[in-house]
Amino acid sequence: ETGVTQSPTHLIKTRGQQVTLRCSSQSGHNTVSWYQQALGQGPQFIFQYYREEENGRGNFPPRFSGLQFPNYSSELNVNALELDDSALYLCASSPLGPGINLNTQYFGPGTRLTVL
Amino acid sequence: DAKTTQPNSMESNEEEPVHLPCNHSTISGTDYIHWYRQLPSQGPEYVIHGLTSNVNNRMASLAIAEDRKSSTLILHRATLRDAAVYYCILIVRAQKLVFGQGTRLTINP
Repeated sequence: ETGVTQSPTHLIKTRGQQVTLRCSSQSGHNTVSWYQQALGQGPQFIFQYYREEENGRGNFPPRFSGLQFPNYSSELNVNALELDDSALYLCASSPLGPGINLNTQYFGPGTRLTVL
Repeated sequence: DAKTTQPNSMESNEEEPVHLPCNHSTISGTDYIHWYRQLPSQGPEYVIHGLTSNVNNRMASLAIAEDRKSSTLILHRATLRDAAVYYCILIVRAQKLVFGQGTRLTINP
């Protein structure tokens, strides 16, 4: 069974640019969540997708957007990059739909984004 | 969001038990208590969860206070590979995990 994978591993962008990060969910998982982890901090929830629809969003501006595809893979897009967007971006998939408190999330290794 | 409080750091010796505490005084009746850990340079990984009763799995044990306002993650024999940041999280509607600062566990050889 393949776990959650993310690409690329590392990425360097300059302020104002746009970036797309990709995530492949674990097989059979229909829910994907994205988190931002700044250095030395715990991960912060960005948003969640379930059956290709956004299902909840954290305190992030609209320039953070996402997609989930029919095969349950996902993308995180960030427009107009700012220096504070430098962080580790984590994708997590889960096998059960939202609203289920037993829904364990399985995390990928993350994409390290540096904005110069 | 339901809040948890954990010590910033703890230290233990290899092959000794480790007890990681978590306070969650505002927990509601339907909140599950989950623990995740994050090893260096990796994404978080699930450790264990519980609602009211103590729980055991191959990784750890979870002891939940009778009033559910606190819990303790127990690593029975710590190894160097258990050095990580441990997060105690209350799950509400499973929509998102709300991570705090966690406890950074150091294991001494």
